[in-house]
Amino acid sequence: GQQVMQIPQYQHVQEGEDFTTYCNSSTTLSNIQWYKQRPGGHPVFLIQLVKSGEVKKQKRLTFQFGEAKKNSSLHITATQTTDVGTYFCAGYKAAGNKLTFGGGTRVLVKP
Amino acid sequence: DAGVIQSPRHEVTEMGQEVTLRCKPISGHDYLFWYRQTMMRGLELLIYFNNNVPIDDSGMPEDRFSAKMPNASFSTLKIQPSEPRDSAVYFCASSLRQGDSYNSPLHFGNGTRLTVT
Repeated sequence: GQQVMQIPQYQHVQEGEDFTTYCNSSTTLSNIQWYKQRPGGHPVFLIQLVKSGEVKKQKRLTFQFGEAKKNSSLHITATQTTDVGTYFCAGYKAAGNKLTFGGGTRVLVKP
Repeated sequence: DAGVIQSPRHEVTEMGQEVTLRCKPISGHDYLFWYRQTMMRGLELLIYFNNNVPIDDSGMPEDRFSAKMPNASFSTLKIQPSEPRDSAVYFCASSLRQGDSYNSPLHFGNGTRLTVT
């Protein structure tokens, strides 16, 4: 079945530094979504990427969808304590209605 | 917009007891999803409904789990009998359309933290 893998599993970041988390799918995706879950909270939708090679920005967050639509990345610049949480990518298989979540990258920020 | 409402927030029960989790989706959303989250297995899709009809229940662990959606504004996930390995956070989520190239975002409830002793 479809698998979505995320690396790294944990990311310790010094406040002010940049980091990137990566998402890889075993199958081609029709689109990919990113969610953020704060400690003790629930996943909250951040963004959706649909087109091959698409890049979208939300303030300090940059999301990219790979050319082959099998991988994606999230890059955060100038990390802040408010960025603490777990970032999930989630992909839809082509022509599918099931959203498969990756294992998430848990981000810890050192002040 | 009240968002997706789940109850209870916390449930502690003894092994063998029946557990019922409840969910009220966002009004107008056609899709409802039940997910389970654990440290070991992450977020797993258990079952999803479209217009109150179960579409895919392949993620339901075993016959002890059942889910219903009697109307557009209410769904339940039942575990009978419960076992310690069922301890997890159970999330309900709802969304608008799902299609070939665009899938509406999922709106998650606050979850039910289930502990089976």
